[in-house]
Amino acid sequence: DAKTTQPNSMESNEEEPVHLPCNHSTISGTDYIHWYRQLPSQGPEYVIHGLTSNVNNRMASLAIAEDRKSSTLILHRATLRDAAVYYCILRQGAQKLVFGQGTRLTINP
Amino acid sequence: DTGVSQDPRHKITKRGQNVTFRCDPISEHNRLYWYRQTLGQGPEFLTYFQNEAQLEKSRLLSDRFSAERPKGSFSTLEIQRTEQGDSAMYLCASTAPMGQGAPEAFFGQGTRLTVV
Repeated sequence: DAKTTQPNSMESNEEEPVHLPCNHSTISGTDYIHWYRQLPSQGPEYVIHGLTSNVNNRMASLAIAEDRKSSTLILHRATLRDAAVYYCILRQGAQKLVFGQGTRLTINP
Repeated sequence: DTGVSQDPRHKITKRGQNVTFRCDPISEHNRLYWYRQTLGQGPEFLTYFQNEAQLEKSRLLSDRFSAERPKGSFSTLEIQRTEQGDSAMYLCASTAPMGQGAPEAFFGQGTRLTVV
């Protein structure tokens, strides 16, 4: 299973942008980059995914490096409800998701 | 559709007892996954089904664990002779068939098992 590396924790302030980095130097050409988040006492929730181009949706933006060896999840204006563990996952098609430790994001009021 | 549903939400059992959990996926989803999550860790893959066929099982799934998905609809996960180390959150997820947009996985709220 292709691996990703994320910081264990990050902290930001409410209403400020948050950039969550992920390294995936061994990514293969068919791996999609997926981001999920898990709020306390809930199951993981899909955030966004992409292959090569940057992606935007209502929750976040995903910036993918040109060589695809790293990516950044961007929350444009963090709220207290964005406090969660964020997982960066490489996935081929509908194969199983392989979760790492993720990044625990704390949002300060 | 209200999403992926898991039952029960919480289960406390004595060591050595058998337990069974149920997962109802989103109705048109053909793939169903089971994961286990212990405190402070990310979810660990256990097994997955495509329709009624169990296509992959993790080495984590000992012979005390069995999963079924009769008729390709709901799924059950049974743990026999429970041990304290089985205490965890058991998560179920489902995905739509490939070709129907992004196969994002939808997760249930999980079943929290405590073995005493």
